[in-house]
Amino acid sequence: GAVVSQHPSRVICKSGTSVKIECRSLDFQATTMFWYRQFPKQSLMLMATSNEGSKATYEQGVEKDKFLINHASLTLSTLTVTSAHPEDSSFYICSAYTSYEQYFGPGTRLTVT
Amino acid sequence: LAKTTQPISMDSYEGQEVNITCSHNNIATNDYITWYQQFPSQGPRFIIQGYKTKVTNEVASLFIPADRKSSTLSLPRVSLSDTAVYYCLVGDVSNTGKLIFGQGTTLQVKP
Repeated sequence: GAVVSQHPSRVICKSGTSVKIECRSLDFQATTMFWYRQFPKQSLMLMATSNEGSKATYEQGVEKDKFLINHASLTLSTLTVTSAHPEDSSFYICSAYTSYEQYFGPGTRLTVT
Repeated sequence: LAKTTQPISMDSYEGQEVNITCSHNNIATNDYITWYQQFPSQGPRFIIQGYKTKVTNEVASLFIPADRKSSTLSLPRVSLSDTAVYYCLVGDVSNTGKLIFGQGTTLQVKP
């Protein structure tokens, strides 16, 4: 099946700094990628929809200036958490959409100290 | 996007068949039903997808009645490694592919 990777898998950063998470579709091209966050014992919450070459569409309540999304190519989308704070600590998961299916990445554990 | 309702948790024993039912009363004509499995600290993994009647693959079966307002994921002969959270999602996969996750069902398989 199609493979989606995320980098890094785990990151610890200090409060106030920015962190970039990469999402890549390794063996297929994805016109659309999605970003989710998941808190412990909770479900995945859709943050935004990312389309190659255009601005991301954010879900209600998600700050677009805090969570910067760039979808520069058909195989790469990045999520930058700007001025991170401890409450941004979470599990961030991306997915890539192709041929009527979504393929999920392994997730990135972000811890803000 | 249609809202889904699943049991929060289920327990089973190794070797048993497990059926998880999902309600989606507001499913639209173009919506497909997709089930994902998620282990702790991992991304969701696709299990099965269907539109109507019955779909079967190497790991599960999906039963969808004629009115499509519910669906049942059937896992034959579960093992300890099937302990996970199972999500039922409904969406128009031929359009944007956008999926909204509900609370999921935590399946605990006991020895």
